[in-house]
Amino acid sequence: ETGVTQSPTHLIKTRGQQVTLRCSSQSGHNTVSWYQQALGQGPQFIFQYYREEENGRGNFPPRFSGLQFPNYSSELNVNALELDDSALYLCASSYDRGGTEAFFGQGTRLTVV
Amino acid sequence: EDQVTQSPEALRLQEGESSSLNCSYTVSGLRGLFWYRQDPGKGPEFLFTLYSAGEEKEKERLKATLTKKESFLHITAPKPEDSATYLCAVRADSWGKLQFGAGTQVVVTP
Repeated sequence: ETGVTQSPTHLIKTRGQQVTLRCSSQSGHNTVSWYQQALGQGPQFIFQYYREEENGRGNFPPRFSGLQFPNYSSELNVNALELDDSALYLCASSYDRGGTEAFFGQGTRLTVV
Repeated sequence: EDQVTQSPEALRLQEGESSSLNCSYTVSGLRGLFWYRQDPGKGPEFLFTLYSAGEEKEKERLKATLTKKESFLHITAPKPEDSATYLCAVRADSWGKLQFGAGTQVVVTP
């Protein structure tokens, strides 16, 4: 078990709604990354936060946004949900941006109907 | 563009039947190759990080190796509890983005 926890574990939303997912990073880790994993595929990088600032972004639209707090926990917000946003959302924490290890939480399964 | 390709897509093994998974990559400047294990509906579990060609790492029945263009994950005498999807990822930037392959689903039968 890693020290990375995500909430909620599952949720169902309606198309057009907004959702907030949360992640608590492992103790001592100051970097959090978010990934989207569709069924049968590898995780896709959304963005990374380092010391409360967005540090890099993947190929996702602006309706995907995030925050990192002083305790290094993080939120992922998705506006105007689309059916294709249904996926497992994963948070990974690491010690520093180029950390040798990145540890993942158990994920949040989002279903958009 | 950076690419990570894993093969085979799926692998069915008898308990004790050793095999290897392949991860081939094309990146401009590798800053780490990562192996993860993922059980259904769970987050990926970190296994290894490799940095330079010729490097090898071992953990129980798993051994990861790295060349300039690919990595192998060798599973020696697997047990049913080794059944999982194994993901390979590369880091090409100094700031930590991981690019994943699609994974190899391994099923080990008694």
